[in-house]
Amino acid sequence: AQTVTQSQPEMSVQEAETVTLSCTYDTSESDYYLFWYKQPPSRQMILVIRQEAYKQQNATENRFSVNFQKAAKSFSLKISDSQLGDAAMYFCAYRRGLTGGGNKLTFGTGTQLKVEL
Amino acid sequence: EAGVAQSPRYKIIEKRQSVAFWCNPISGHATLYWYQQILGQGPKLLIQFQNNGVVDDSQLPKDRFSAERLKGVDSTLKIQPAKLEDSAVYLCASSLSQVLGYEQYFGPGTRLTVT
Repeated sequence: AQTVTQSQPEMSVQEAETVTLSCTYDTSESDYYLFWYKQPPSRQMILVIRQEAYKQQNATENRFSVNFQKAAKSFSLKISDSQLGDAAMYFCAYRRGLTGGGNKLTFGTGTQLKVEL
Repeated sequence: EAGVAQSPRYKIIEKRQSVAFWCNPISGHATLYWYQQILGQGPKLLIQFQNNGVVDDSQLPKDRFSAERLKGVDSTLKIQPAKLEDSAVYLCASSLSQVLGYEQYFGPGTRLTVT
């Protein structure tokens, strides 16, 4: 079974600074996807960024980028130029690849990000 | 494009009572998911539908939970009877297709409190 681990329950960052959230996962499969979701107090899960395991290049979406280390099974999220609106719970998630059948998401326990003025 | 709709947003019931949640996915989305999110944890899949058929219900407590998607569009999740440990946020998500691995879009969730 796949597992996703987020070892940082809480993180804080100053506005305009950079913060990195950590995530490790365990799988025996070679075809999979990794995601970071943001969940604000409204509870709506919002997709921040995705990474396909077969791609060596790290994904980037504006101020958000990932450091994907496949051999180490590590998938960290870097938020640059942090803004007050970035404050939320962030979840790392895993999904089997298309060849694995089914596409349920397996989530970590989350990291609460606080952004301070 | 309208997002995933869920109702109610909040529900408080006593243990042993029954409760039902409703989800309307994004128009045209064939795959629908129900996740349970207990406080302090990440969401956990309860059941996945492809059109009106069940794809995965391996983590659904079938002695008390049931779900249906009769016409392949909206879905209802029911708990009967509820236990204290069922207190959680119930998230519904939908995607165009599970086969092609399209992204899942989440609704705002229903927060259930069992007293």
